Amino acid sequence: EAGVAQSPRYKIIEKRQSVAFWCNPISGHATLYWYQQILGQGPKLLIQFQNNGVVDDSQLPKDRFSAERLKGVDSTLKIQPAKLEDSAVYLCASSLSWDGNIQYFGAGTRLSVL
Amino acid sequence: GENVEQHPSTLSVQEGDSAVIKCTYSDSASNYFPWYKQELGKRPQLIIDIRSNVGEKKDQRIAVTLNKTAKHFSLHITETQPEDSAVYFCAARGFGNEKLTFGTGTRLTIIP
Repeated sequence: EAGVAQSPRYKIIEKRQSVAFWCNPISGHATLYWYQQILGQGPKLLIQFQNNGVVDDSQLPKDRFSAERLKGVDSTLKIQPAKLEDSAVYLCASSLSWDGNIQYFGAGTRLSVL
Repeated sequence: GENVEQHPSTLSVQEGDSAVIKCTYSDSASNYFPWYKQELGKRPQLIIDIRSNVGEKKDQRIAVTLNKTAKHFSLHITETQPEDSAVYFCAARGFGNEKLTFGTGTRLTIIP
């Protein structure tokens, strides 16, 4: 089966600019996750969707980060304005549902904020 | 919230020897513990997982053990090979809480 698709793979921006990432989960997967992985650390959940509803966004910096999952399939994560500390890999993952199902990760988008 | 600690942060073993990575978790209600392998520049991939109703699970050269009383779980890799070199992450998910909390990772290097 096709995996989780993410784009772009790399993005370099200057601080205070805006950036958006896109994710297409595995077909049929109801749950979608966005993680931030800072170099040398484990992935940290930013937001979790169940279909097109938000289940958990407790660690999303809502003053600058936003995410949506229109129609319950694709999702976009936006940062506006970006800060230097936002430099990280942004990973998207999906699972059939939240309960007892494996999370499959995309290849990620590496963001560098200069 | 859940806190997961992982040790060691780096581990070097001779090819053919065994490697053990340990994690502890704080939420006694956690019931699902996956291990992910991440090669440089690539996506994390699930290699093995265990649920709280099981004490041990094995898949070829990889095994995971869980001690619910002590709230720790470990990854064991036997007969290590160069392709085992990667960063390994443990994670825990609490009951009724869909969120996975990851450890900080262990960089495993297999010395030929």
